[in-house]
Amino acid sequence: GAVVSQHPSRVICKSGTSVKIECRSLDFQATTMFWYRQFPKKSLMLMATSNEGSKATYEQGVEKDKFLINHASLTLSTLTVTSAHPEDSSFYICSAGTSGGNYEQYFGPGTRLTVT
Amino acid sequence: AQSVTQPDIHITVSEGASLELRCNYSYGATPYLFWYVQSPGQGLQLLLKYFSGDTLVQGIKGFEAEFKRSQSSFNLRKPSVHWSDAAEYFCAVGPTSGTYKYIFGTGTRLKVLA
Repeated sequence: GAVVSQHPSRVICKSGTSVKIECRSLDFQATTMFWYRQFPKKSLMLMATSNEGSKATYEQGVEKDKFLINHASLTLSTLTVTSAHPEDSSFYICSAGTSGGNYEQYFGPGTRLTVT
Repeated sequence: AQSVTQPDIHITVSEGASLELRCNYSYGATPYLFWYVQSPGQGLQLLLKYFSGDTLVQGIKGFEAEFKRSQSSFNLRKPSVHWSDAAEYFCAVGPTSGTYKYIFGTGTRLKVLA
């Protein structure tokens, strides 16, 4: 149980275009989802926290207009990188948590974004 | 401030040798503690977690970790390392600030020599 999927697993886009990454909880309802960014050989950097039906809370230094997050349902959150540039190339990982009170996050497999 | 420290950036061990990866935390209350493993290009896999109770926690793949409140540590151990254990290991503490947020350590990259 507690499986989280991400789509796509890899995406290449041209500079200036936008790309959407989906994060789905497959067998549970995720009241909270998180989006992380991971640079090569680095730890995970939390970008934002999203709760179903409300606006995402962004971490300091993360541009909310560039990284649009939508948590439209209890099983789906999307991250849209708008007007992507090569410096946005990274590994993006989502995670999902339930309201069960154990504060455990379940991680997706990640999406490799390359902006050319 | 809440923080997680993994003092060892790289560790190299021989296959069959024992392993200990260190994790120290700074936290104002009783933390929830996690160890994750990440293979190259992959997401995070949960190895084990500590919420309460027995301070020695058993996880998957033969890993265990011990919560030591007096030392603010949650070190990961394995008695005999396999070549397939080569990966990046992350310690995390949560929740933080009344949210689900985790604080991750910087990771320890494990290399296993045949």
